[in-house]
Amino acid sequence: GAVVSQHPSRVICKSGTSVKIECRSLDFQATTMFWYRQFPKKSLMLMATSNEGSKATYEQGVEKDKFLINHASLTLSTLTVTSAHPEDSSFYICSARTETEGPPQARIFNYGYTFGSGTRLTVV
Amino acid sequence: AQRVTQPEKLLSVFKGAPVELKCNYSYSGSPELFWYVQYSRQRLQLLLRHISRESIKGFTADLNKGETSFHLKKPFAQEEDSAMYYCAPDSGGGADGLTFGKGTHLIIQP
Repeated sequence: GAVVSQHPSRVICKSGTSVKIECRSLDFQATTMFWYRQFPKKSLMLMATSNEGSKATYEQGVEKDKFLINHASLTLSTLTVTSAHPEDSSFYICSARTETEGPPQARIFNYGYTFGSGTRLTVV
Repeated sequence: AQRVTQPEKLLSVFKGAPVELKCNYSYSGSPELFWYVQYSRQRLQLLLRHISRESIKGFTADLNKGETSFHLKKPFAQEEDSAMYYCAPDSGGGADGLTFGKGTHLIIQP
């Protein structure tokens, strides 16, 4: 099945520095990828949607200048946390939209989501 | 506003007992509905979705449009079912990502 690889799994950085997180689709082309953030013992919150070759769409309240998303190829999307602060410490998860098999009459439902394993970011 | 509610943060049942994880949604239109599971130290993975009507690992979920619910059920819980379970409606057809419920931590006691 479709596999999404996310790196690094853990990263510690100093305040004020930038960190890049990569999300790769290994055996399929991902036109659309999503970035989520998960606070401790909380649910996943969608941060942004990235479409290959176009600007990312950010959810309300997410600073696009702080969380830079690049989706320059069909197999790679990156999230860069710029000028990181301790409050940016979190678990970041990427996801890719995948196409699935199904009957023609249910074509609009012939899709799914595959998730990366997440990146634990700690800003000190 | 679109909203999904999983009222139980934690649910503990004994092995062999029935399990029901509740999910209610408030969405315009007819969203597709997913249940995702996250086992300890593993990534999120799809458990089941409404359109496929499959039973996975003994779990089923019935969509009740009148009550706008999509509760997850299993008649006999197993210890390996212990995990975090997330209900996620999707009205964007794969274009807008998922809105997750807060999740229910299911613990199966031996």
